[in-house]
Amino acid sequence: AQSVAQPEDQVNVAEGNPLTVKCTYSVSGNPYLFWYVQYPNRGLQFLLKYITGDNLVKGSYGFEAEFNKSQTSFHLKKPSALVSDSALYFCAVRYNAGNNRKLIWGLGTSLAVNP
Amino acid sequence: DAMVIQNPRYQVTQFGKPVTLSCSQTLNHNVMYWYQQKSSQAPKLLFHYYDKDFNNEADTPDNFQSRRPNTSFCFLDIRSPGLGDAAMYLCATSSRAGQTEAFFGQGTRLTVV
Repeated sequence: AQSVAQPEDQVNVAEGNPLTVKCTYSVSGNPYLFWYVQYPNRGLQFLLKYITGDNLVKGSYGFEAEFNKSQTSFHLKKPSALVSDSALYFCAVRYNAGNNRKLIWGLGTSLAVNP
Repeated sequence: DAMVIQNPRYQVTQFGKPVTLSCSQTLNHNVMYWYQQKSSQAPKLLFHYYDKDFNNEADTPDNFQSRRPNTSFCFLDIRSPGLGDAAMYLCATSSRAGQTEAFFGQGTRLTVV
């Protein structure tokens, strides 16, 4: 079955420290991978995506993510966390299902950056 | 500038009373989506339009309907809201239902009393 996993419900980091939010997936074919961020009572904001090419992709607000095909992972990273990065982060994976394209979402990881 | 606009931001409706949520976009995107999101959970796709073609998810209840009168607007109609329908409803658009990312509105938080 196709799936996306965000193994950590919550991640806590100190401001200024590097952060990682993990995402692994299991889909057939070549996936398209996305990260979104959601602030309280807001819609989702796109951060970055991997379609093809360089495995390291850079996105908004200083975030980056590395596509690792052998480990089927797409972890979100930032070298130096800010308190304002505290939010809910979702990983999503698009794959081909016959003639349709399906998008499946991870359950989200709540990131708390402490001053 | 807002590109996907949802109105209202907060909606309170009575149990069983029909309610309509609206979404408009200035991006001229072909695809429009409606998601339901319950407290800190992942968004759940209800349906989407590819141009005028309507695509319903298999597990979307019949209580939920949608209309897309033109490229810019899309509506979510809940015919008889139940307490379990209280949620954040998110509208999103994308230029193609494939490689491109989706752009989300701010959401409408629906309360059923």
